[in-house]
Amino acid sequence: SAVISQKPSRDICQRGTSLTIQCQVDSQVTMMFWYRQQPGQSLTLIATANQGSEATYESGFVIDKFPISRPNLTFSTLTVSNLSPEDSSIYLCSAEKAGGRGEQFFGPGTRLTVL
Amino acid sequence: AQSVSQHNHHVILSEAASLELGCNYSYGGTVNLFWYVQYPGQHLQLLLKYFSGDPLVKGIKGFEAEFIKSKFSFNLRKPSVQWSDTAEYFCAVRFTGTASKLTFGTGTRLQVTL
Repeated sequence: SAVISQKPSRDICQRGTSLTIQCQVDSQVTMMFWYRQQPGQSLTLIATANQGSEATYESGFVIDKFPISRPNLTFSTLTVSNLSPEDSSIYLCSAEKAGGRGEQFFGPGTRLTVL
Repeated sequence: AQSVSQHNHHVILSEAASLELGCNYSYGGTVNLFWYVQYPGQHLQLLLKYFSGDPLVKGIKGFEAEFIKSKFSFNLRKPSVQWSDTAEYFCAVRFTGTASKLTFGTGTRLQVTL
């Protein structure tokens, strides 16, 4: 398994600002992912964070709005830029180990509220 | 498009009742299947998984799920629920060729009453 921590756990931000969320895994992992979970809804994949290269974004998500870094095999950041109230959501980091066949471990999430 | 459906959005059961939550997916190829649970205020945890072999898989806390390929289904079951099973349950599928991406169902909120 893998233990994942996220910082901050929650934040309240003003419209137009940005928030960077950090994700730390306790062991090296092959894949890292970022999801959004709006209240009472399911998880939507934002992007796959690739180590040493640009992230792979899902349809409807763009790098300018959600820049992602992954400098090594245990750490990634997601920035939510130019915030609007519609960005209020829970942002989740997950990771998969080599050979995991899709089994992902999830962080506790970051609850973002945009005023 | 590949999709995952959970038809029960909100289920209310009394303690000791039996549980079955439906999960269907749209695809005819190879899939890896998962059930995740999210207890109130906690993060997502893996309940059980299916990769291949015996289509009846057992997970933690007395949960099991059955993969029926002909029906594209992976229903979650528990013979006798407890109050502590109150949570949100998500079915997730990894479709062949999607580079480990998971597609999640909409989730089922289970409320167990005493």
